[in-house]
Amino acid sequence: GDSVTQMEGPVTLSEEAFLTINCTYTATGYPSLFWYVQYPGEGLQLLLKATKADDKGSNKGFEATYRKETTSFHLEKGSVQVSDSAVYFCALSSRETSGSRLTFGEGTQLTVNP
Amino acid sequence: GAGVSQSPSNKVTEKGKDVELRCDPISGHTALYWYRQRLGQGLEFLIYFQGNSAPDKSGLPSDRFSAERTGESVSTLTIQRTQQEDSAVYLCASSPDRVRLNYGYTFGSGTRLTVV
Repeated sequence: GDSVTQMEGPVTLSEEAFLTINCTYTATGYPSLFWYVQYPGEGLQLLLKATKADDKGSNKGFEATYRKETTSFHLEKGSVQVSDSAVYFCALSSRETSGSRLTFGEGTQLTVNP
Repeated sequence: GAGVSQSPSNKVTEKGKDVELRCDPISGHTALYWYRQRLGQGLEFLIYFQGNSAPDKSGLPSDRFSAERTGESVSTLTIQRTQQEDSAVYLCASSPDRVRLNYGYTFGSGTRLTVV
């Protein structure tokens, strides 16, 4: 079945550091890929998405590129801020099999210190 | 409405009592989902509605859990005879259609349930 694997957290960075959160997936067919962010005490918000191979999703300085050859969708940001501290979830939707729901990774806690 | 609305935002209940959690999805969204998130953990799928029917309820953890949706709108998640392990944040999400159309979900802010 479909699955998503994220790098384990927690991740702690200093402000203005470079961020990478790894995400790899297993799915049949050609899934769409998503990153969601959950700020403390809030629900999940869609951060960015990509629907086909080589697409790059971007939002708020974050980027992720859909790499079919490596089945990956790593999240990157060039210079993190304290306000980026949150939990980040990678997710996929498979057109071929899932149909009914997104499959989420376990989440990666990011803390950015001033 | 403009977003997915959940109520109550917080609920403290005594062990053994029944609770009802409500979700108002975005108007016109046909797909509705319930997830559970225990403290410090990922998302656990509970149930999915397409319209008023639930084609996938495979995530409901026991027969104490049930959910319904009416008018292709509001959904209620009911937990009977609550146990301490039911303590979690219950998240509702909606989507214009099944997620294979790449819309993703819009989540509500959740209901934090504490069973004492």
